[in-house]
Amino acid sequence: AQSVAQPEDQVNVAEGNPLTVKCTYSVSGNPYLFWYVQYPNRGLQFLLKYITGDNLVKGSYGFEAEFNKSQTSFHLKKPSALVSDSALYFCAVRDETGGFKTIFGAGTRLFVKA
Amino acid sequence: DGGITQSPKYLFRKEGQNVTLSCEQNLNHDAMYWYRQDPGQGLRLIYYSQIVNDFQKGDIAEGYSVSREKKESFPLTVTSAQKNPTAFYLCASSIGDRVTTEAFFGQGTRLTVV
Repeated sequence: AQSVAQPEDQVNVAEGNPLTVKCTYSVSGNPYLFWYVQYPNRGLQFLLKYITGDNLVKGSYGFEAEFNKSQTSFHLKKPSALVSDSALYFCAVRDETGGFKTIFGAGTRLFVKA
Repeated sequence: DGGITQSPKYLFRKEGQNVTLSCEQNLNHDAMYWYRQDPGQGLRLIYYSQIVNDFQKGDIAEGYSVSREKKESFPLTVTSAQKNPTAFYLCASSIGDRVTTEAFFGQGTRLTVV
């Protein structure tokens, strides 16, 4: 069965420092991985995705994510955090065996302190 | 501008009432989805529609109903059979249903039972 785990409910980082939001997954087929961000009382916004190819994927707002097949991970990273990056981040996975279903993690709240 | 519009933003329901949440998209997307978001639980799929006049139940369809009479519209009715309807509801769409495509989300409707 498909599953996504975001092991940290909250990540705290100082502005200007690098940030990492962790995600691990489990699927039967080839994984297609996504990161979304949600600001308070808003819908989710797509940040980036891994489909195939280069393990380092670059996305919106300076975010990037590294796909690691052996560790079944897809951690979200940013070299220098901004206060405006404070939000709720969701990792999601799809694969061919799951059909139309996208499985979302429970979310990780990122708090960037000035 | 293209996008997904959900209305209303806030909705209050009395016990025993049915209420309908609106979702309209002008992205020309074939696939549309309804998710429910509860704190700490990520997003759970309620219903999914791949084409007009066709839809499928998601993981938590009990107490909900949908219709897809037009490509642009995918309204969700929360019936009195839904015992715990207070939640944040998100509508999304995607280009077809390829596993590689990301979803576009509306701004959400917060439903509260009073």
